[in-house]
Amino acid sequence: DSGVTQTPKHLITATGQRVTLRCSPRSGDLSVYWYQQSLDQGLQFLIHYYNGEERAKGNILERFSAQQFPDLHSELNLSSLELGDSALYFCASNRRLGGNEQFFGPGTRLTVL
Amino acid sequence: GQQLNQSPQSMFIQEGEDVSMNCTSSSIFNTWLWYKQDPGEGPVLLIALYKAGELTSNGRLTAQFGITRKDSFLNISASIPSDVGIYFCAGQLANFGNEKLTFGTGTRLTIIP
Repeated sequence: DSGVTQTPKHLITATGQRVTLRCSPRSGDLSVYWYQQSLDQGLQFLIHYYNGEERAKGNILERFSAQQFPDLHSELNLSSLELGDSALYFCASNRRLGGNEQFFGPGTRLTVL
Repeated sequence: GQQLNQSPQSMFIQEGEDVSMNCTSSSIFNTWLWYKQDPGEGPVLLIALYKAGELTSNGRLTAQFGITRKDSFLNISASIPSDVGIYFCAGQLANFGNEKLTFGTGTRLTIIP
């Protein structure tokens, strides 16, 4: 158990809908990273938040957005969902800027029908 | 998005055999991490490497940070059934504002009875 929690574990929805994925980092960790894992693209970095502020963006679609709240939990919002958005979404956390090791949560499996 | 080249893509071995896999990149990294992922779970950190040429062990696992900073290697000695899973390398530049992990394509390890 990494100490990172994610909810829900599974999510099934229809095209065009909007969903919110939630992540709680390990106790004391200030950084949250979001990754998407799909069969064709593998594990891809989406976005990084540190202590409530966005630090870096990766291959994140404009239909996707995220935020980190004062209690340090983070939410990833996916809107206008398409079939190709079906994937595993992971968050990871670590303690500080420049911290190397990232600890991953169990993931949310999103299925868009 | 970018993925690092990992080889082999899959391995079928017998219990007790040693395993070697590697990861190569076209660009340099300051940190190399190795993760293991079981089906339906998040990646679990196995070993972290911080310096070119570094050799680090974690039980039966040994990893090396390539001298060119563009590759890394993972060895597993005397494999056991719980070693089954997918192994991912991940490279990181770890500069402020650029802490994302770039993952390899994965090596799937199967133990033949």
